[in-house]
Amino acid sequence: RKEVEQDPGPFNVPEGATVAFNCTYSNSASQSFFWYRQDCRKEPKLLMSVYSSGNEDGRFTAQLNRASQYISLLIRDSKLSDSATYLCVVNRKTGANNLFFGTGTRLTVIP
Amino acid sequence: GAGVSQSPRYKVAKRGQDVALRCDPISGHVSLFWYQQALGQGPEFLTYFQNEAQLDKSGLPSDRFFAERPEGSVSTLKIQRTQKEDSAVYLCASSSGGERQYFGPGTRLTVT
Repeated sequence: RKEVEQDPGPFNVPEGATVAFNCTYSNSASQSFFWYRQDCRKEPKLLMSVYSSGNEDGRFTAQLNRASQYISLLIRDSKLSDSATYLCVVNRKTGANNLFFGTGTRLTVIP
Repeated sequence: GAGVSQSPRYKVAKRGQDVALRCDPISGHVSLFWYQQALGQGPEFLTYFQNEAQLDKSGLPSDRFFAERPEGSVSTLKIQRTQKEDSAVYLCASSSGGERQYFGPGTRLTVT
């Protein structure tokens, strides 16, 4: 079983729509959680960290449920520029401190 | 300021050739990571350096893969006797020691 599981999509939504992505992680020792954004043929870039209390950054809201080992990302009022692949990422913060990535969920916002 | 840079950006190798991929991390970053991203997949961890010490190489897929960071700054990932399944984007990331990792643009390796 992969460390992080995501629905690969694709999600095709009209401008202005609200879209939600979910992922689950398998290792209960995971301690840090993130959403990264990756544009086509570009490197991953940090979108936001995810905290147990939930956090919001403009149109983006992230939630973490440690009991269910579940992470979500909500995008409100989608823009064309939101089109990208969204990667769910966890870090056990042990050993190498390396990141574990999901396969990514592809979003296309349609005019 | 300058971010993480990688070279070459694209590399085509014939099966059986050796390749060397270079990573220049952000100046002063002690931690350096290599990841492999196959088409349609998320990046997967290969190896980790803290300064010049390679502390974890558990993700390297075979003994054909070798990484070094002799002076604690620039790192090279070497793949010997390349195979078609080595075709992927190789991403380098650096960190000052905190949680955030900054990724380079990657090297896209195609083995024919």
